[in-house]
Amino acid sequence: DAMVIQNPRYQVTQFGKPVTLSCSQTLNHNVMYWYQQKSSQAPKLLFHYYDKDFNNEADTPDNFQSRRPNTSFCFLDIRSPGLGDAAMYLCATSLIAGGTSGANVLTFGAGSRLTVL
Amino acid sequence: GQNIDQPTEMTATEGAIVQINCTYQTSGFNGLFWYQQHAGEAPTFLSYNVLDGLEEKGRFSSFLSRSKGYSYLLLKELQMKDSASYLCAVKDSNYQLIWGAGTKLIIKP
Repeated sequence: DAMVIQNPRYQVTQFGKPVTLSCSQTLNHNVMYWYQQKSSQAPKLLFHYYDKDFNNEADTPDNFQSRRPNTSFCFLDIRSPGLGDAAMYLCATSLIAGGTSGANVLTFGAGSRLTVL
Repeated sequence: GQNIDQPTEMTATEGAIVQINCTYQTSGFNGLFWYQQHAGEAPTFLSYNVLDGLEEKGRFSSFLSRSKGYSYLLLKELQMKDSASYLCAVKDSNYQLIWGAGTKLIIKP
């Protein structure tokens, strides 16, 4: 089945120790997104890629970086995690980013829950 | 600013009907989404409304009124597995997705 896969599902790190979260997709979607979601809050978009074009949200801290080496994979790097970075990190994909067709529906991975000690 | 409002929490009884409202103020409109999210899991897509009116999909229906900046998600014949958060999200004129904080739905036997 075509899907979005995130690894690891659970990540525990120490304060300041770098972390990399990965996302892969078999949907052949053009757009990949990284969201941060804290308990009982709306998902917050960190950045997204349209193909290789990187789009950073204005309020995404420099501590968060992303790479998309090919269509299928996208990585989220947290260079120096702080206690406030503990959250669920959601990867999502869509075929397109604009328009009003079903092609811009987001498909989410199962998420990576980050704990910072 | 842009804003999505949903009730924080609702409670309903198994077998009953519940309506979850969503009002929005956004710069432009390019569609409204409803997602279901079980605790600790990723959101899953429920519906996408672009035009006014009611769209039915099994036990779930979604309604949109663009002139009122209003949508609702209607869940019929509630089951215990429907206990989840329901997220409303709107695409604005720049195709940015604006998310609500979600409505936590608690189903009681």
